Amino acid sequence: EAGVTQFPSHSVIEKGQTVTLRCDPISGHDNLYWYRRVMGKEIKFLLHFVKESKQDESGMPNNRFLAERTGGTYSTLKVQPAELEDSGVYFCASSHQNGPGTYEQYFGPGTRLTVT
Amino acid sequence: QKEVEQNSGPLSVPEGAIASLNCTYSDRGSQSFFWYRQYSGKSPELIMFIYSNGDKEDGRFTAQLNKASQYVSLLIRDSQPSDSATYLCADTNSGYALNFGKGTSLLVTP
Repeated sequence: EAGVTQFPSHSVIEKGQTVTLRCDPISGHDNLYWYRRVMGKEIKFLLHFVKESKQDESGMPNNRFLAERTGGTYSTLKVQPAELEDSGVYFCASSHQNGPGTYEQYFGPGTRLTVT
Repeated sequence: QKEVEQNSGPLSVPEGAIASLNCTYSDRGSQSFFWYRQYSGKSPELIMFIYSNGDKEDGRFTAQLNKASQYVSLLIRDSQPSDSATYLCADTNSGYALNFGKGTSLLVTP
């Protein structure tokens, strides 16, 4: 079974530019999550999709961040315009919706975003 | 602010010893607790989760939860050099959004 994949692995952009991160969850996982780790800080929750619906976006820092999950499969996280403080590692995770495995979130390798 | 606190370490233990990792949490509404292992530059990997008071064992790993004291721990028996990593404690009150601590760095020396 393929794991959670993320693309790109690393992105370097200038302040003010736009970046789109992609996450492909494990096949069959209805729950998809985005997290972020800023250097020196803990991993922070950004938002949670159940299929294509945003279940909880309480962790999204501001309206420069837009997440989508059209069709309930892969998800994108767009940052527009990027600011210096957006630098960090963005992790995607997925889990089953119900039954065994609901609590088990499997993380992708992350996208390291550097805003200069 | 709901926090999960961990000692950053590094915690150094000799090979074959028991490593004890500790975590406290501030949200009394937290329902479930998780231990993730993260090797440098890699993704967090779930080791165990626990939601009932007491102990839960899985191989060399034992998670312990004390809700009255708001305390979670992870014991690693017969520690191996390959166990050297950062261990992340997390809780959730929704069952979904995880609230992580900063992690404890564990070093197992041969």
